[in-house]
Amino acid sequence: GAGVSQSPRYKVTKRGQDVALRCDPISGHVSLYWYRQALGQGPEFLTYFNYEAQQDKSGLPNDRFSAERPEGSISTLTIQRTEQRDSAMYRCASSSQGLETQYFGPGTRLLVL
Amino acid sequence: GEDVEQSLFLSVREGDSSVINCTYTDSSSTYLYWYKQEPGAGLQLLTYIFSNMDMKQDQRLTVLLNKKDKHLSLRIADTQTGDSAIYFCADSGTGYSTLTFGKGTMLLVSP
Repeated sequence: GAGVSQSPRYKVTKRGQDVALRCDPISGHVSLYWYRQALGQGPEFLTYFNYEAQQDKSGLPNDRFSAERPEGSISTLTIQRTEQRDSAMYRCASSSQGLETQYFGPGTRLLVL
Repeated sequence: GEDVEQSLFLSVREGDSSVINCTYTDSSSTYLYWYKQEPGAGLQLLTYIFSNMDMKQDQRLTVLLNKKDKHLSLRIADTQTGDSAIYFCADSGTGYSTLTFGKGTMLLVSP
């Protein structure tokens, strides 16, 4: 079956531009998570949703980062006024309610010039 | 905060066993996971272990958990060149919602 999909797979942008990264979870998965992975590091938690409700956004680095999941399915992570330090792989994962495993998408590689 | 530590690199010969080690700090962790990352690919869940278990075996994979020492290991039997990848240990903390990952162990399998 279809796994978690993310788009775009690669994004190059200039400093100061806004970017929107999309995640389409596995069908029927209630929970959706965003992580950021710098080169040579493990993924770091950003935020997560149950259905459309954002449960925890403690990992978002500052107020330039926001996420939404308005209909409880697709989610968008938005970074405003991008900075070079935002360059990283952004990963999305989803899981079924009450189950312990998170399934990851292929990620979006963001490069801010 | 929670922390997960892994050795950065492991090199083995094809056919040997590989053991990748991980230590974590959160004594109340519910689940511990192993993910595999191949170049250009997403994170693939390999296996996980519930905190009340000491061992879990799944085909060529064996996970050992020592809660007293907060030590987790992944043993890959009969390692193949296709096992070459980065392996991440992750800790769920007390719930399922956020995973804390180590920096990953690069496994290189030579013929």
